[in-house]
Amino acid sequence: QVQLQESGPGLVKPSGTLSLTCAVSGGSISSSNWWSWVRQPPGKGLEWIGEIYHSGSTNYNPSLKSRVTISVDKSKNQFSLKLSSVTAADTAVYYCARVFVYYGSGNLLDVWGKGTTVTVSS
Amino acid sequence: QPVLTQSSSASASLGSSVKLTCTLSSGHSSYIIAWHQQQPGKAPRYLMKLEGSGSYNKGSGVPDRFSGSSSGADRYLTISNLQSEDEADYYCETWDSNTRVFGGGTKLTVL
Repeated sequence: QVQLQESGPGLVKPSGTLSLTCAVSGGSISSSNWWSWVRQPPGKGLEWIGEIYHSGSTNYNPSLKSRVTISVDKSKNQFSLKLSSVTAADTAVYYCARVFVYYGSGNLLDVWGKGTTVTVSS
Repeated sequence: QPVLTQSSSASASLGSSVKLTCTLSSGHSSYIIAWHQQQPGKAPRYLMKLEGSGSYNKGSGVPDRFSGSSSGADRYLTISNLQSEDEADYYCETWDSNTRVFGGGTKLTVL
């Protein structure tokens, strides 16, 4: 079955750029799925960041859109997140997830990575 | 885009049943949702997809104790024979117009 694994620096300086990668195993990133990023600040709920299709099409949370870039690397079977101009408010656990498409009904997250903690601090 | 409303907390006794609610905002009552469980210190886990008709499909390995149902704009997650490991946060999720939305989550305490 598909498994997802996040990786990247656990500490980012304020005003810097957060960069994370999600490696997909047990399946192809070129399948009929989208691939998503979600974050969770300490003690708070889940916040959707954005998602990508293997063609490179993207959707972003309007509240983060100006700072977010999600890309895909089909040769490595992985996708990535970049979040620029970070502040302490971007400190969170970041999760990658698979989006399953239910044609005619919508699409929902159905596989989650274990998450990686990113702290924004000098 | 839709808004998903959940009670912030719920509690029930070990071995009993509990029904959690996720309410879709006006104009979105037909939408499908997913339920996710997040145990303390762990990543979320997909539990099921739930349709407005009440039909649901559970994820791999989800115990039979978990079931879903619907009534109008309300989507329910029922957990029977509550176990200690069911103490967790439960989130509902949906999608519309290229935007993904989560409910605020319900913290379930097993007494």
